[in-house]
Amino acid sequence: NAGVMQNPRHLVRRRGQEARLRCSPMKGHSHVYWYRQLPEEGLKFMVYLQKENIIDESGMPKERFSAEFPKEGPSILRIQQVVRGDSAAYFCASNQGSNQPQHFGDGTRLSIL
Amino acid sequence: SQELEQSPQSLIVQEGKNLTINCTSSKTLYGLYWYKQKYGEGLIFLMMLQKGGEEKSHEKITAKLDEKKQQSSLHITASQPSHAGIYLCGADRGGTSYGKLTFGQGTILTVHP
Repeated sequence: NAGVMQNPRHLVRRRGQEARLRCSPMKGHSHVYWYRQLPEEGLKFMVYLQKENIIDESGMPKERFSAEFPKEGPSILRIQQVVRGDSAAYFCASNQGSNQPQHFGDGTRLSIL
Repeated sequence: SQELEQSPQSLIVQEGKNLTINCTSSKTLYGLYWYKQKYGEGLIFLMMLQKGGEEKSHEKITAKLDEKKQQSSLHITASQPSHAGIYLCGADRGGTSYGKLTFGQGTILTVHP
């Protein structure tokens, strides 16, 4: 069984460009969560999605960040007009329901030049 | 202040020694999750605790949740170098926060052979 798959593992962008991070949940999982890990702040929740629906986006910055989980295909975390402060490790997790353990991918390390 | 406090922040032990990591919340938890992270990698799920007084074990790792569901401990017996890494506790607070996890700052464990 494949685990949670994230790609790319590493992404380098220049300031002002767009970053797209992809997450394929574990087989059978319909709930996806995105977290951001900053060096001095620990792991922080960003957004919780089910197929075609955003359930909780209370951790998402108000501007430039968006997430989707379409009926077909992976979940996408999109960051427009990236700035240096967006540099972080972004993790995706999935589970079968919100009272089940979340299983994490290996993350995408985003670096902004 | 952190919603979830972990202690100690770091721990260095000799192989074969026992150790305990604590995780404390100021509020009652719906569920408590323990994860292990190796540098540059994703989180590996260890255990989930949901009932007051619950205790679970897997190999040499035991996790407990107190009766009030506000404090959890992770105990490793006869530590090995393979136990080294960052241990994170994650809290599901239920209610409107149902599903998303709030994490502690992590405990860095080093095991010397």
